[in-house]
Formats: sequence, C-alpha cells, structure tokens
Amino acid sequence: GAVVSQHPSWVICKSGTSVKIECRSLDFQATTMFWYRQFPKQSLMLMATSNEGSKATYEQGVEKDKFLINHASLTLSTLTVTSAHPEDSSFYICSARSGGPNTEAFFGQGTRLTVV
Amino acid sequence: AQSVAQPEDQVNVAEGNPLTVKCTYSVSGNPYLFWYVQYPNRGLQFLLKYITGDNLVKGSYGFEAEFNKSQTSFHLKKPSALVSDSALYFCAVRESGSGNTPLVFGKGTRLSVIA
Repeated sequence: GAVVSQHPSWVICKSGTSVKIECRSLDFQATTMFWYRQFPKQSLMLMATSNEGSKATYEQGVEKDKFLINHASLTLSTLTVTSAHPEDSSFYICSARSGGPNTEAFFGQGTRLTVV
Repeated sequence: AQSVAQPEDQVNVAEGNPLTVKCTYSVSGNPYLFWYVQYPNRGLQFLLKYITGDNLVKGSYGFEAEFNKSQTSFHLKKPSALVSDSALYFCAVRESGSGNTPLVFGKGTRLSVIA
C-alpha cells in the first residue's frame, strides 16, 4: 500500500518552544491530509484537515493559532505546535488518501510529543 | 451525522480460539467501512474495507469482516487468534458521496490474546 512517513517519531521540548512535525506521502500525491491527536487509551481526535495550497480546516475547539498547519505541496504537510505547554503532550498522527472517498487512508507512524 | 460504536473496550480470547471485535455504525446513506489496527506507539495499519459487493470481506493477517446492513454492523473476525494479534483495533466509517471528508473512528477495542 501507499506509504506515509511522519517525522520525528518522538520529540521532547521545553515549555514555550515550538515543535514542527512533518507528514510526507512518499509514493503518491495527497491533496488532502488529516491531522489527529490521540490521548492515552483513547480514540483518534481529528484536529484539522490540511488542503494543499489553501488554509487548513480546523475542528471545533482546536486552536488554529496554536496548531499551525501548512500544506505547501502535494506530498508534504506540517503541523507546528507553537508555544508548547505540558498539556500539549500527546501522540499526533497524520493520514492521507491516495484516491477517492472509497479508498483507505494511510497513516504516518505517529509522533510522541512530550513537553517538559 | 456519521458515527461508529465499538461497544467493548476490551476483548480477551485464548490463542487458537476465534475472535470477534464488534462495530456498529450510523450514516445517512451508504457506508464505506474500514478496520485498522494500532500497535503501541505506532500509527494505524489498514486491515480491510467494505465498499460494495460481497458482504464478507477478507483482509490482512487472516482477518475478515461481515457487513450487515439490517443490523448496521461490521464486526471484525478471525477464526484462530494469535498472541501477535494483541493490539488496539479501530472501526471507521465514511458516508459514500461525502467527498473528501475524514474517517470517523470508533473509540477502539483492545484485543488481548492469551497464550
């Protein structure tokens, strides 16, 4: 199947700093990518839909100034957690589809963010 | 609105026994249904999907799922469980014709296969 690469796999940062997470579709073009957040022992919470060449669409309750999403090309979307705080510590996962709505989504391996 | 219910937080099964992980869904129109598996600190891996056609779909690692329209269910099954099947399983749905909308996930079911 298609491959989605997410980097870094884990990161530790100090409170107040910013962290950038990259999501790349390696062998297909993704006009849309999705960013999720997963709390321990819970399901995936959709944060935003990232559209190539346009602004991301954020879910209700997600701060767009806190979680900056850029989708500069058909193979790369980035999520930047700005001025991180310990409560931002979580597992962040991106996904992308290579085809239409009846195709499965492929997921990155996730990024474990720890803010100290 | 689309939704998915996974009624069991945890399923325990002995190795070699059949396993079932339950999923029911709610959509306005026709559903596209998916099962994913997640191992610790990893992203989700696609197992199988139902789009149209045969109600019984076969997927990776010997898993299969049966689409039941009247019961709005899409239970995941495997005839003989392995210890290595222990993981977190997610059911997801998207309504057909819904454009480029994201998947809606259930809360997940943790499967534990005991040797």
